[in-house]
Amino acid sequence: QVQLQESGPGLVKPSETLSLTCTVSGGSISSHFWNWIRQPPGKGLEWIGYIYYSGSTRYNPSLGSRLTISVDTSRNQFSLQLTSVTAADTAVYYCARDISTDDYYFDLWGRGTLVTVSS
Amino acid sequence: DIQMTQSPPSLSASVGDRVTITCRASQSISRYLNWYQQKPGKAPKLLIYAASSLQSGVPSRFSGRGSGTDFTLTISSLQPEDFATYYCQQGYNNVLTFGGGTKVEIK
Repeated sequence: QVQLQESGPGLVKPSETLSLTCTVSGGSISSHFWNWIRQPPGKGLEWIGYIYYSGSTRYNPSLGSRLTISVDTSRNQFSLQLTSVTAADTAVYYCARDISTDDYYFDLWGRGTLVTVSS
Repeated sequence: DIQMTQSPPSLSASVGDRVTITCRASQSISRYLNWYQQKPGKAPKLLIYAASSLQSGVPSRFSGRGSGTDFTLTISSLQPEDFATYYCQQGYNNVLTFGGGTKVEIK
């Protein structure tokens, strides 16, 4: 059974870089699309971006040039880096799998990890 | 970006009630509409994809309808475990977006 697990620091200082990793267990990362989604406390969901195992990416333009998503197929992991963070980036960050072929939806999610931006 | 508007933002209902949640897209998204259920402190769970296809393992009391800009999620007979927040999400274009959510509470 495939599972996803987010990991990374729970506290990041303003203007620094937020880095998270999602580990895929019980299956291979070498298929499907792998996504990051976030949810500020008490608010709704925001799609951040995705990466295909080949390395091709699509990002939410709202995050501009601050965002990088990468994949390490040898470790069955994909990662998120968000630079120049502010308090507005405080959220629960989820990794999620998209198995669709002509749609985009998320059938498998990690448990999520809370990242707080504060000095 | 395509804006997704859900209504109502919240509702109160009793066990056994039939509940319908609406999601409207700011432009046509064909049938690229998906529904999720989220309980407090948990990740969202996929219920419906492609507007009306039931995800494996999801009870048949959940159903979805619609195409173009207007979609609905219906719970035919609300169960205690269905009290949660429901989100729609469009998978039509380059920037995936979610609705603001509908919180289903116990009356």
